[in-house]
Amino acid sequence: GAGVSQTPSNKVTEKGKYVELRCDPISGHTALYWYRQSLGQGPEFLIYFQGTGAADDSGLPNDRFFAVRPEGSVSTLKIQRTERGDSAVYLCASSPIAGVGDTQYFGPGTRLTVL
Amino acid sequence: SQQGEEDPQALSIQEGENATMNCSYKTSINNLQWYRQNSGRGLVHLILIRSNEREKHSGRLRVTLDTSKKSSSLLITASRAADTASYFCATVNSGSARQLTFGSGTQLTVLP
Repeated sequence: GAGVSQTPSNKVTEKGKYVELRCDPISGHTALYWYRQSLGQGPEFLIYFQGTGAADDSGLPNDRFFAVRPEGSVSTLKIQRTERGDSAVYLCASSPIAGVGDTQYFGPGTRLTVL
Repeated sequence: SQQGEEDPQALSIQEGENATMNCSYKTSINNLQWYRQNSGRGLVHLILIRSNEREKHSGRLRVTLDTSKKSSSLLITASRAADTASYFCATVNSGSARQLTFGSGTQLTVLP
């Protein structure tokens, strides 16, 4: 498919465990964004990449959260020592470049549940 | 953090009626965008309006922007049951930021 894909679609884990969430952006898109959406709220920005580098990680809530994009395509969001408050839908988006007027194309999200 | 509020939080109308949703934001912006979300999952981009624009149309959608009041509205004309979804406004702030800052959303229900 030509859209943004995210895996897994659902992830259930126990408090204290480590999880990895994957995002495959649209081919050729250099900008990649991660957002988190809690129930009944709008998405909140976590981090964005321009190519391989994190251009802005100001939205990461604490040092348990980390994201990588080693080859400038696929990105992985990593959460250590998960807490119940981390439960949310994690959304990934990509755009051709990180231009202010660029449309961001969103994936279907990964629903993370921390028990 | 959320950029601002959307009003109303929920809206229920009959098919064929028009639906109007409002969005307020707090900071100086480069542009404002509206997104649609079905079933709490992927967001679909609807329309973008730049800070120097006042009104924009796309099919049955009409968006207005008032930067002096830091507010925007989305009008969906001749609504259909398939328009049932959550609608979010999102801003790209002035300056170097590129990320979207979303409002809290309006849940629209169109009754057949």
